Amino acid sequence: DGGITQSPKYLFRKEGQNVTLSCEQNLNHDAMYWYRQDPGQGLRLIYYSQIVNDFQKGDIAEGYSVSREKKESFPLTVTSAQKNPTAFYLCASSQGVFGPQHFGDGTRLSIL
Amino acid sequence: KNEVEQSPQNLTAQEGEFITINCSYSVGISALHWLQQHPGGGIVSLFMLSSGKKKHGRLIATINIQEKHSSLHITASHPRDSAVYICAAPPGNKLVFGAGTILRVKS
Repeated sequence: DGGITQSPKYLFRKEGQNVTLSCEQNLNHDAMYWYRQDPGQGLRLIYYSQIVNDFQKGDIAEGYSVSREKKESFPLTVTSAQKNPTAFYLCASSQGVFGPQHFGDGTRLSIL
Repeated sequence: KNEVEQSPQNLTAQEGEFITINCSYSVGISALHWLQQHPGGGIVSLFMLSSGKKKHGRLIATINIQEKHSSLHITASHPRDSAVYICAAPPGNKLVFGAGTILRVKS
């Protein structure tokens, strides 16, 4: 079945460490997105990519980095510059930027 | 003021009740999305609509573009409908999300 796979489901990070969250899709979608979700708040866009080798900052890109070397993969790195990284991270993809977005099951990141 | 506002924030219903969740937006949009997030965190897209009404099983979504308002209705609610329901509006090529409505259906 086609879908989006995020791994791991739970992730722990020590202070000062970078950590990379994986997102893979086999839907052949051009566009991919990373969102952050905090309790009581709506999802906020971190980065998005409309096509391979291209990506754009979202509303809260500071302290994060991404790459889009392959169509099916859009990994997110949470760097040590992100001062409050504890959150739930969701990856999504769509066929074209105006198509309905398909979401992964998310990764919950916590600081040790 | 958020660009996308949902109400109510929390909703508790008895099994079988008719449920309505509302979404108002202040941005110009081409379509509005309704999403469902289960306790595990995964999100499923329920509807994308730009006019009128869409129905899928016991779920009905309506939108009034002139009034910038959409509603999600659940008929004959069931405990398995318990989830967070989120509306999202795309002003351009990005989605702006409401904070979500936490629905709990008791048996």
